[in-house]
Parts: sequence; structure tokens; C-alpha cells
Amino acid sequence: DTEVTQTPKHLVMGMTNKKSLKCEQHMGHRAMYWYKQKAKKPPELMFVYSYEKLSINESVPSRFSPECPNSSLLNLHLHALQPEDSALYLCASSQERVVGHNEQFFGPGTRLTVL
Amino acid sequence: GEDVEQSLFLSVREGDSSVINCTYTDSSSTYLYWYKQEPGAGLQLLTYIFSNMDMKQDQRLTVLLNKKDKHLSLRIADTQTGDSAIYFCAEKGSQGNLIFGKGTKLSVKP
Repeated sequence: DTEVTQTPKHLVMGMTNKKSLKCEQHMGHRAMYWYKQKAKKPPELMFVYSYEKLSINESVPSRFSPECPNSSLLNLHLHALQPEDSALYLCASSQERVVGHNEQFFGPGTRLTVL
Repeated sequence: GEDVEQSLFLSVREGDSSVINCTYTDSSSTYLYWYKQEPGAGLQLLTYIFSNMDMKQDQRLTVLLNKKDKHLSLRIADTQTGDSAIYFCAEKGSQGNLIFGKGTKLSVKP
């Protein structure tokens, strides 16, 4: 199983809503990532978890709250988002965070629209 | 610093070769990657090259690396309409994250 799954595929939410994005992998990978991709732009790193601990937070606003409940799951909790947060949110995983060639496997993404 | 540059668009005819170019700035990058993204989809790793290699070939794909000029290219032989997508060059950052170029949109005309 070399797949990263993400749910939901699409999400529309208001600025006062609370929602969560979910990501799952069963490849035994110990590093998991959240990227944000705006239209016609490259993905930008948001968070990295390594061995279920937050390793990198790229100065992301606190309205985005990541969580790694176990080595297979990664969540992104959303609260009080702004319309400019509308984007494709991509999850990825890799064997390790730093050592060697570290292929990152990407999920299909969640297309988020904030009204 | 870490930065990756790519040309934004490339248009070719079906059956021709496509060459997508990329420059990067971090000479300490150990691995460089090419990812493909189809509309509305996630990213698919096409190939990668280790910094001590000059060339890597994988079926229709050829990657060339010029470390002196920090220049990376991806050649797709016999380009097909199914190759139409956005291609991202990426380098591995110092913290294990990927730093992507802006992406090159490849259009293949029949």
C-alpha cells in the first residue's frame, strides 16, 4: 500500500465554522507533512511531524492546528479561517524526515473554500 | 538561501521531446526531484537525482544535473497528450522539507 489518503476531497466552510482535515498512510512512514497550495502556485510547507512530534511549524497562523494522534494519522484542525485561506491542502509522508533520499508521497489533497 | 526557479510554460507537439529547466540556489542540496501534478490532483514523484550524479535515465525520462551552474533539466522523450500537466522541480531543504519551483505547465498538442 503506497497510498496517502485525504478526507474530505472538498470542503466549504464559513469563517465561524470549525472543521478538520484528515490524512492517513499505512506505509510505516515516520514523517508526515502538511502543505498549502494556492491556485497556480507551488506547494508551501506548513507543518512537519517526525515520530509523532511537531518538528517544523512554518509560522502558520494559530487558526490552523495540526495533530498527529498516531504514526498513521495526521489531522489539521481549522477554526475561524479567512477567505484567503481557500486553497488545496496537501498531505505527504516519507520514511524519515531528514536522512537520505526521502521520497515524499502525496495525497490527492482537500480543496478548501472559505466563504 | 534556498530558492528554485523554473520557466512557467512549455508547449510541444505530440511525439516531440520536451525539456523543462530548473535552477536552484542551495549548492548543499543532496537530492533534487521532479514532481508531476495533473489538474485537481496531488503530486506524483517522477524521478529524482542525487547530487553526485550528472545524469539519470528512466524510460522516457532523462534528468541532467549541472552542479556548477546549479541547473537541472527534465527531458521527456516522445511526449504524449497524457504528459500534459504541471511539472515541479524541488530540492530537499536542510530540514528534510521540499522546496518547490513555481512549476512549468506543459501543454502537448496532438
